[in-house]
Amino acid sequence: AQSVTQLDSQVPVFEEAPVELRCNYSSSVSVYLFWYVQYPNQGLQLLLKYLSGSTLVKGINGFEAEFNKSQTSFHLRKPSVHISDTAEYFCAVSDRGGYQKVTFGIGTKLQVIP
Amino acid sequence: DGGITQSPKYLFRKEGQNVTLSCEQNLNHDAMYWYRQDPGQGLRLIYYSQIVNDFQKGDIAEGYSVSREKKESFPLTVTSAQKNPTAFYLCASKGARTGILYGYTFGSGTRLTVV
Repeated sequence: AQSVTQLDSQVPVFEEAPVELRCNYSSSVSVYLFWYVQYPNQGLQLLLKYLSGSTLVKGINGFEAEFNKSQTSFHLRKPSVHISDTAEYFCAVSDRGGYQKVTFGIGTKLQVIP
Repeated sequence: DGGITQSPKYLFRKEGQNVTLSCEQNLNHDAMYWYRQDPGQGLRLIYYSQIVNDFQKGDIAEGYSVSREKKESFPLTVTSAQKNPTAFYLCASKGARTGILYGYTFGSGTRLTVV
C-alpha cells in the first residue's frame, strides 16, 4: 500500500516571496512521484515528475522539487511566486508496476497575497 | 488538439434520479479513470478501465456505474444509491506506454449538485 501526506492544507505567501509545499510519502516499493496543479473549476495539470536519476527535478512555471529517499519526501519549491500561482497543488505517488496505481494527497491551497 | 472533454460542466440532480457524466478522449489512451473530489479530501478513485470492455472498481465505487464500449468514451452514471453525490468529478486518461512520462491527462471536470 502507498500513501501521500501533504502537511499543509493552506499556505499563504506574499508575492515575490519563496514558497515550499511539503509532501511525504509511504510505500513498500519503489515509486514515481508527481506534482499537479489545479486552478479553480478546472482539471489537474502535471507540474513535474520524478522517475529516476537526478533528485532535483524542474517543472513548468518555474517550480522545482527534490526527491529525498531517506526522508521519503518530495517537497515542491519556487523561489519567487506570482499572483498567477494561486491554485491548489497535489502531490501524487505511483508504484512502478504494470498498472502504476496513483495515489493523490489531499492538496495544498497556495494563496499568493499581493 | 488532443484532450479530454467532460460534459456537462455543471449538472443538477434531483433526489432519486440517475445521472450520467460524459467523458471523451481523442488521445488514443488505453487507460481511463474517474475521480471524485471533495474539499479537504483530495481525489478519490471511483472506477478505472485499462482496456475496452473491461473496468475495475476503485476505492469508492458504491453508488456508481461505468461502461467502456469504446476506447474514446468512459461515461460515469451516478445512481440513486449514491447518498451524497454532490462533488466535483474528474475524468483522466493515460497512455499505456507513455503515461508515466506525461502523467495523467485530466478533463476540466463536472460539478454535480443535488437539489
